[in-house]
Amino acid sequence: DAGVTQSPTHLIKTRGQQVTLRCSPKSGHDTVSWYQQALGQGPQFIFQYYEEEERQRGNFPDRFSGHQFPNYSSELNVNALLLGDSALYLCASSLQGGDTDTQYFGPGTRLTVL
Amino acid sequence: GESVGLHLPTLSVQEGDNSIINCAYSNSASDYFIWYKQESGKGPQFIIDIRSNMDKRQGQRVTVLLNKTVKHLSLQIAATQPGDSAVYFCAEISRDSNYQLIWGAGTKLIIKP
Repeated sequence: DAGVTQSPTHLIKTRGQQVTLRCSPKSGHDTVSWYQQALGQGPQFIFQYYEEEERQRGNFPDRFSGHQFPNYSSELNVNALLLGDSALYLCASSLQGGDTDTQYFGPGTRLTVL
Repeated sequence: GESVGLHLPTLSVQEGDNSIINCAYSNSASDYFIWYKQESGKGPQFIIDIRSNMDKRQGQRVTVLLNKTVKHLSLQIAATQPGDSAVYFCAEISRDSNYQLIWGAGTKLIIKP
């Protein structure tokens, strides 16, 4: 049973560029949430996708956008990158209406903006 | 607003001893609490969860205690091993947070040989 997978593992971009991160949820899960984690901090919620729509959003600017595909996989897009966007980006999957609200996390994508 | 915080940023424990990691929360309406373990360079790994209608739950070598009176949560790890070295986060879910995870800052567990 495959867990949550993310790609790429590491990414280096320069200011002003755009980036796309990808996530495949755990088998059987239909909901994907994205988080940004700065070094030494807890994850910060970006947004959540379910049924191919953004259901909830955290306190992040419109430069952060996403998409969910019919197979439940998801992308996170960040435009006009800033140095402060350097972080570990985590994807978590869960099942709506499941026994628990437990989210299972992928290994993350380390984004460095130069 | 609600918040979840941890008492200590770093905890050093002798290998083989028991570890206790504490967490305080402020939202008495929180429904559900989760402990995650995050090793360096990896995503958070689910350890154990507990619902607000429970006060104790046990897993393999781990026990979570919930004291709703003082809004306190703890994670106990029995016979701590080197592989337990990680940052531990508590997180809560409540209707107030639209059922999104609210995270604490994390406690780094260091195992001394």
